[in-house]
Amino acid sequence: GDSVTQMEGPVTLSEEAFLTINCTYTATGYPSLFWYVQYPGEGLQLLLKATKADDKGSNKGFEATYRKETTSFHLEKGSVQVSDSAVYFCALSHNTNAGKSTFGDGTTLTVKP
Amino acid sequence: GAVVSQHPSWVICKSGTSVKIECRSLDFQATTMFWYRQFPKQSLMLMATSNEGSKATYEQGVEKDKFLINHASLTLSTLTVTSAHPEDSSFYICSASMASGSLDTQYFGPGTRLTVL
Repeated sequence: GDSVTQMEGPVTLSEEAFLTINCTYTATGYPSLFWYVQYPGEGLQLLLKATKADDKGSNKGFEATYRKETTSFHLEKGSVQVSDSAVYFCALSHNTNAGKSTFGDGTTLTVKP
Repeated sequence: GAVVSQHPSWVICKSGTSVKIECRSLDFQATTMFWYRQFPKQSLMLMATSNEGSKATYEQGVEKDKFLINHASLTLSTLTVTSAHPEDSSFYICSASMASGSLDTQYFGPGTRLTVL
């Protein structure tokens, strides 16, 4: 079955540091890939998505590129802020399954001033 | 657009009582809604998939008689935790996918914190 493996956390960075959170996946067919962000006490918010190989999703300074050859979708940001502190989830889903998703375990990011 | 609400945002109840949680898609029609449970510092655990007008599909290990799901309309799904016990205390999150448009994308509600005393 499908699976998503995320870099283990927690990750602690200083403000303005470069961020990478690794995500690799195993799936049949051609899934869509997602990054979600969860702030304390809240639900998940869609951060970005990519639907096919070599697509780059981007939002709020975050980027991730769908790499089919390495089955990866690593999240990057050039300069993190304290407000980026949250839990980040990588996920995949298939268009044929009404959005039923497989999630990674989440990576907690703490950004210190 | 694509806003999903949940009500209540938090609830405290006594052991043995039932609690109903509502999930609404505010500005779109949702053919499918999902219910998740999340324990502290853990990922989301899918409990069930709910399609409008039909019975929910429960994941393995989830008691359908304990977690009753009703998806009565294209904008509303409810989760009822029956005879709640302290071990049911958790963060419950719903999500919805659109009836039209990008079928692979889920939109999440803000979650409901359930505490059973």
